[in-house]
Amino acid sequence: GAGVSQSPSNKVTEKGKDVELRCDPISGHTALYWYRQSLGQGLEFLIYFQGNSAPDKSGLPSDRFSAERTGGSVSTLTIQRTQQEDSAVYLCASSLGLRVGGLNTEAFFGQGTRLTVV
Amino acid sequence: SQQGEEDPQALSIQEGENATMNCSYKTSINNLQWYRQNSGRGLVHLILIRSNEREKHSGRLRVTLDTSKKSSSLLITASRAADTASYFCATGRPGGGNKLTFGTGTQLKVEL
Repeated sequence: GAGVSQSPSNKVTEKGKDVELRCDPISGHTALYWYRQSLGQGLEFLIYFQGNSAPDKSGLPSDRFSAERTGGSVSTLTIQRTQQEDSAVYLCASSLGLRVGGLNTEAFFGQGTRLTVV
Repeated sequence: SQQGEEDPQALSIQEGENATMNCSYKTSINNLQWYRQNSGRGLVHLILIRSNEREKHSGRLRVTLDTSKKSSSLLITASRAADTASYFCATGRPGGGNKLTFGTGTQLKVEL
């Protein structure tokens, strides 16, 4: 697609329910990132994928959070037994993932999923 | 803790003035990037500066990098109301793969 696509754009769920957030990266981008942003705050790193593997998932807050990526493309972030503190905007980004001269390349962001746990 | 810390947290200026935002980081980096965010949604890449560069320009944007002080600044010249947004720095680390770590951001408001 033309850009990074995230769905749904908004999700309201009841405490204790599971949710799945989807990210469709730019075609050909091998690196994919998930971040979380609470209201008025910075971006909290959750996990990043290189291809289908996750070299760094150190930011996942608890074992209720998991993510997978299949076919080197679409990624799903799953939150089990949601809590009110999980309410935030979840942002996905992708990049070429090429280490051009040892550099990270520009990341392209989706519009995010606003999750509200009630 | 955040790898990058921007200051000030919030900045309010008049249209036409220059805006300067600073970013400090803690570990060695291979590059530093600046992003802009409107309305709390997706971020847009502005500029990337390599660790061996000291200054870079793009239109009304000027970025400096001082690796000895582990700091960077973003200068927006002749600001416009449309520049109102949050600005974040992001760092990539040697050996960190493609992981980008973002700072806490500066909220810029440009008033008419």
